[in-house]
Amino acid sequence: TQLLEQSPQFLSIQEGENLTVYCNSSSVFSSLQWYRQEPGEGPVLLVTVVTGGEVKKLKRLTFQFGDARKDSSLHITAAQPGDTGLYLCADPNNTDKLIFGTGTRLQVFP
Amino acid sequence: DAGVTQSPTHLIKTRGQQVTLRCSPKSGHDTVSWYQQALGQGPQFIFQYYEEEERQRGNFPDRFSGHQFPNYSSELNVNALLLGDSALYLCASSPSPTGTYEQYFGPGTRLTVT
Repeated sequence: TQLLEQSPQFLSIQEGENLTVYCNSSSVFSSLQWYRQEPGEGPVLLVTVVTGGEVKKLKRLTFQFGDARKDSSLHITAAQPGDTGLYLCADPNNTDKLIFGTGTRLQVFP
Repeated sequence: DAGVTQSPTHLIKTRGQQVTLRCSPKSGHDTVSWYQQALGQGPQFIFQYYEEEERQRGNFPDRFSGHQFPNYSSELNVNALLLGDSALYLCASSPSPTGTYEQYFGPGTRLTVT
């Protein structure tokens, strides 16, 4: 059974700081998705990465897929309070059955 | 364009009871998946419905069952509730397989079992 570990588990920072969260798999990802979940809401897809070494940018968010496709990182530049939420990585496992990571809970204080 | 909707928003049940949760998919989507998210954890896949049949199932006991209707809406039923069933239940919808595996999630139903 594939296990997705995310680190850190919790992150509390001031507005304007940079941060990186990580997602590591016990096996090779088929592809990798990153989601953000705000309190009282369902997860919202941020990005999908497919190719080893791939880098995607979404405004202040930079997503990187490891060369061996067993790890990924999400870097946020100049964090804002609106970035607060639970960040989840997920592997679609070549189906619509998403396997989610353990999550990183981010709190950005003004 | 309405997104994925779920009802009820919150629910409190007693151990041993049965519960039914409902989901309406995003317009144009015909596939519905259900996930259980315990407090502080990532969602876990329960099962998926397509063309009114269960297409995939996660590692959940038979107490968890579902149904999909001709209009693509879906229900999740849980029998003989246990305290450990307390969680946020998320519904996600997607169009017929496109290879992108992009799913749209509803806001969830918070179930508390006492």
